[in-house]
Amino acid sequence: AQSVTQLGSHVSVSEGALVLLRCNYSSSVPPYLFWYVQYPNQGLQLLLKYTSAATLVKGINGFEAEFKKSETSFHLTKPSAHMSDAAEYFCAVSDLGQNFVFGPGTRLSVLP
Amino acid sequence: NAGVTQTPKFRILKIGQSMTLQCAQDMNHNYMYWYRQDPGMGLKLIYYSVGAGITDKGEVPNGYNVSRSTTEDFPLRLELAAPSQTSVYFCASSYDRVGSYTFGSGTRLTVV
Repeated sequence: AQSVTQLGSHVSVSEGALVLLRCNYSSSVPPYLFWYVQYPNQGLQLLLKYTSAATLVKGINGFEAEFKKSETSFHLTKPSAHMSDAAEYFCAVSDLGQNFVFGPGTRLSVLP
Repeated sequence: NAGVTQTPKFRILKIGQSMTLQCAQDMNHNYMYWYRQDPGMGLKLIYYSVGAGITDKGEVPNGYNVSRSTTEDFPLRLELAAPSQTSVYFCASSYDRVGSYTFGSGTRLTVV
């Protein structure tokens, strides 16, 4: 069975600082990996996805994530946080079959 | 705008009442899903459908039913509402099973 762990249910950064949201996964087969963002009172939106091509994936709004097989990780980063980045972020893994699993989410706060 | 439309946005039910959450998509996606989101728990899959006339249980199907008579619509039925069903419900659709889901804006349901 697949699973996703997101370290830190709440992360706070200052505006302009580096954003690092951690995601580790377990999967018995090569996974597809995703990051979704949820703004208050909205549904989830796809930020980026890894589908076995380049290990460094660039997404919308300046976010990127790197797939590291040896560490079973897919951490999300952004060089400089903006106030508008405050939201909840979900990592998800798919094994290309019937299983698509979301992590518990990390709430990002951006301090002025 | 193309996307996934959920109605209603908010609803308060009394214990034992029934209701149907509506979901419609206009992207001609074969795959549709119902998730519930509870604080700190991420998203849990209730039911999913791989095409009209085909549905299957997800991780937490008890207390819910679905139908898929058309490609566009995927209603979720709650019979005999219980306080444990207080949650935010999201409908999503995708072109294939491996991701890039499009989410609706959610239905916030409270059972009292």
